[in-house]
Amino acid sequence: DAEITQSPRHKITETGRQVTLACHQTWNHNNMFWYRQDLGHGLRLIHYSYGVQDTNKGEVSDGYSVSRSNTEDLPLTLESAASSQTSVYFCASSAARQGHSKQFFGPGTRLTVL
Amino acid sequence: LAKTTQPISMDSYEGQEVNITCSHNNIATNDYITWYQQFPSQGPRFIIQGYKTKVTNEVASLFIPADRKSSTLSLPRVSLSDTAVYYCLVGDGNTDKLIFGTGTRLQVFP
Repeated sequence: DAEITQSPRHKITETGRQVTLACHQTWNHNNMFWYRQDLGHGLRLIHYSYGVQDTNKGEVSDGYSVSRSNTEDLPLTLESAASSQTSVYFCASSAARQGHSKQFFGPGTRLTVL
Repeated sequence: LAKTTQPISMDSYEGQEVNITCSHNNIATNDYITWYQQFPSQGPRFIIQGYKTKVTNEVASLFIPADRKSSTLSLPRVSLSDTAVYYCLVGDGNTDKLIFGTGTRLQVFP
């Protein structure tokens, strides 16, 4: 069965370190998204991609970057982790740009920045 | 960015119908309105999607008025397993970026 996976599921790091969160989907979807979820803020869009070599900034993109070198993967990089980036991160994918809001979500990565 | 608001919480009893409304004051013209369910420690799960009027599937109905500035998710005959947080998702009318609603925590009692 097709799926979307994230790794690691839990990560503890220190302020200033670079961290990369992996997202891999086997749906063959063109669209991929990264969100963060915090208490009191719900889900907020960080970056998204509508295809290989395409990346776009979301609502809260500062301090994060993504790259899309193939259809299956959209890794999220925190260039210099900050305590404010402690959060749960969700990756998602969808099939078509029209109706791109019908997304399939991964299980999430809980990141703690000390 | 569009402001997408929902009631913070709702309580219900098993077997009742529950209606959750999402207000989106500046929705993208060509975008769908989508609703998700989320259980603790899991990613959101797609429930239903619509563009206008009414959509029904095996688990829910979605009502969208003509101006599309709001939408109502209707869950018929809820059970204990429907206890979760429900989110709407819309595209912002100015930026086309996807914006999640604030989320509604539904608690179903026996």
